[in-house]
Order: sequence, then C-alpha cells, then structure tokens
Amino acid sequence: DAKTTQPPSMDCAEGRAANLPCNHSTISGNEYVYWYRQIHSQGPQYIIHGLKNNETNEMASLIITEDRKSSTLILPHATLRDTAVYYCIVSPPRTGNQFYFGTGTSLTVIP
Amino acid sequence: NAGVTQTPKFRILKIGQSMTLQCTQDMNHNYMYWYRQDPGMGLKLIYYSVGAGITDKGEVPNGYNVSRSTTEDFPLRLELAAPSQTSVYFCASGGQISGNTIYFGEGSWLTVV
Repeated sequence: DAKTTQPPSMDCAEGRAANLPCNHSTISGNEYVYWYRQIHSQGPQYIIHGLKNNETNEMASLIITEDRKSSTLILPHATLRDTAVYYCIVSPPRTGNQFYFGTGTSLTVIP
Repeated sequence: NAGVTQTPKFRILKIGQSMTLQCTQDMNHNYMYWYRQDPGMGLKLIYYSVGAGITDKGEVPNGYNVSRSTTEDFPLRLELAAPSQTSVYFCASGGQISGNTIYFGEGSWLTVV
C-alpha cells in the first residue's frame, strides 16, 4: 500500500511557484522520497528524489522536513505544461523493492 | 535510445480470451515492473522482477502471470480476460545504474468486452 498522503487537487497561477505537499509519517530511516508526474495518460515521469537533505534539479526543488515525516515539491515558475498528476512515493534505495504509487495530486496551472 | 517499449498500444479483447503484453527495455536495468491504471485512479503494482528468473507479486496480481527469462524482456500474460481487467497497463524498469529511479513505457490500452 502507498505510504504517503497528498491533497487530491491543487491550482496554481502560471508563473507562480507551485508547492505540492506530501505526508509520509511512517517513513523508515533508509527510505527515499521520490516524486513523479503523469501528464494526461502518458507514463509517469521522474522528477526528483531525496533522503533527508533538500534537493534541486532543473525541474524542481524538494524540501524534506527535519523529522522526514513530510516533504514539499516546489515547481518554481509553473507553466501550463506542468498541469499533471504528481505522485509522492517513499521507497528504499534499491528499486528492486516494490514501488507503490498512491492517487497523487492533480495540479492545474491556470493562465 | 528506445528506453522501455510496450506492445501493443491498443487492444480489444473478448471475455475469456488470453493475451500477452510485451515489454522490452534496452537500458540493462535489473528491475522491471508492471502497473495498471484504471480511469481516474492511481497506478497499482501488478508484478515486479528484480532480475532474470525472479518475479514477485505486487498489489493486484490476480488474473495475471509474468515471466523474466532475460534481462530485457518482462511480458505480462492475461488469462481468461474479464471486464475488470479493462485498464491502461504500464511497464517500467530501473536499477542502480539509473540512479535508483524507474522509467516508464508509454502504456498499453486494453479493453475487455
């Protein structure tokens, strides 16, 4: 079963930062936090992952709380192309383990 | 770079028929996965494999079978198709050489009538 909780939907104005929260209160010490997104009915696309430090790449930033029980994905300047379902997943580092998706957050970027 | 390739993209199946969804990856990943996604829902893990010759059940394995005879291929077989198996099926692969992330194919749309 998915071990994360996300709001079902969010809106964001184009050009503004989109902040997507995720609760993972039962996360284990060796589990990473992964974020994926799914645009329309395409296959999910990897965005970013982290263990306990904040991470940033060309797509987004990931902020993980000190107790690791929650995290926030930040899209710094949302565009219409960022409209998608965003999934937060926790999993041990070896991807041979089961990799469970929940229902995610449907983000709509508004012009 | 093909990545993860799934065939067929679309298929209509009659109740009781059987078929195999093919999945091939060219990234030398050890780990492969099959998910299904019903309309408006999240992805559910059907089966996964940690390497050739090794498979294990996910959340919703009933009605499906898999095999992993090579690193590249991970076919999903539907036996005695039922309307409840109407869904979009995604294959994915990953491994330590991919930075512990997984990559998805484009999906196979299956309708059982």
